Amino acid sequence: EVQLLESGGGLVQPGGSLRLSCAASGFTFSRNAMNWVRQAPGKGLEWVSSISGSGETTYYADSMKGRFTISRDNSKNTLYLQMNSLGAEDTAVYYCAKDRYALTDYPIFDSWGQGTLVTVSS
Amino acid sequence: DIQMTQSPTSLSASVGDRVTITCRASQTISTYLNWYQQKPGKAPKLLIYSASTLQSGVPSRFSGSGSGTDFTLTISSLQPEDFATYYCQQSFSTPRTFGQGTKVDVK
Repeated sequence: EVQLLESGGGLVQPGGSLRLSCAASGFTFSRNAMNWVRQAPGKGLEWVSSISGSGETTYYADSMKGRFTISRDNSKNTLYLQMNSLGAEDTAVYYCAKDRYALTDYPIFDSWGQGTLVTVSS
Repeated sequence: DIQMTQSPTSLSASVGDRVTITCRASQTISTYLNWYQQKPGKAPKLLIYSASTLQSGVPSRFSGSGSGTDFTLTISSLQPEDFATYYCQQSFSTPRTFGQGTKVDVK
């Protein structure tokens, strides 16, 4: 059974940084691209970033480019999201989502973690 | 960016009803369209991918159709566990955009 467990969320001040982690199990981690998707309170889903199974290819939503960095450690079956220069608009539940395929060309988010809440406030 | 527009944004229905949700893309996306279900306080769940392929374990009362710019999610006979919010998502190009969601609640 696929399991994705996010951690690292919490309260951070505007302008601060946070690193999210997503521990994966139940599948061969390196064979699947991975993604971050967020949901602001009471709002819809917003794609954040994707990374291929090898880690060679990454994509970001425009509003996250230059501030967020996605990475993965296939030896530890763990996905990361480094978030810098956080603002109130980044307050959301952040989900990691497994892709059906190894490449990020046409992503299908077939398994999701339970999410971790990031709150940006002074 | 490709905009995804769902309609309606909400609907009220009864158990046993046939429910149809539509999703329109601002430009053609072939069949690179996925549907997700989300219940309050829970993570989304994949229902349909590539416009019409049922994800493993998803009941057959769910079906998807469409190509190009217009897509449909149909629930043939609404069950109590189907009251939720449904999202479409295009995977044709970056950024991977979602529709605004359609909330299905009890009539």
